Amino acid sequence: EPEVTQTPSHQVTQMGQEVILRCVPISNHLYFYWYRQILGQKVEFLVSFYNNEISEKSEIFDDQFSVERPDGSNFTLKIRSTKLEDSAMYFCASRGQAETQYFGPGTRLLVL
Amino acid sequence: AQSVTQPDIHITVSEGASLELRCNYSYGATPYLFWYVQSPGQGLQLLLKYFSGDTLVQGIKGFEAEFKRSQSSFNLRKPSVHWSDAAEYFCAVGLIGTGANNLFFGTGTRLTVIP
Repeated sequence: EPEVTQTPSHQVTQMGQEVILRCVPISNHLYFYWYRQILGQKVEFLVSFYNNEISEKSEIFDDQFSVERPDGSNFTLKIRSTKLEDSAMYFCASRGQAETQYFGPGTRLLVL
Repeated sequence: AQSVTQPDIHITVSEGASLELRCNYSYGATPYLFWYVQSPGQGLQLLLKYFSGDTLVQGIKGFEAEFKRSQSSFNLRKPSVHWSDAAEYFCAVGLIGTGANNLFFGTGTRLTVIP
């Protein structure tokens, strides 16, 4: 069964450093998403991406964040200058024409 | 603004007992409704979903959920809980007709199963 994959599973970085989180969505899916979950809190929507552009973004997704689909398979989330409060689990999700989103296993980011 | 409420932060049940996890949503129309499960250190796995039609939906692992429009609820149930069901359960709402259809999640309910 096809699944969404994410790398790395864990990343530790210093405050102010750039990080890139990578996702490989399910191959025939058209919509791509990033969510985050701060420890102990609910999962929050960050951004959606369709047809090579951002469809929607939340207020969390400020200028420090960017997304890219550099080739036909990868979908990345970049945080330019990480802050302590960016520490969270980041989930990638994808969906096809149907409304169901399928989530990856997540990347746990720790900013020191 | 849309919101999803899971009033129970933590529930403990005995193995073999029945389970009901509550979810209420606030939205001006009928949304898409989902239940996801997150085992420790794992991602979010879809348990079941409701889009339209029969208000009682069946999911994986023996779970079911019932949509009640009058109560704006989508409670998750299982008649007999197994120890492997211990996890965090998230109710989520997707908004119909919003294009990309991002999901809004509740705060989750942590389920503990005791022998």
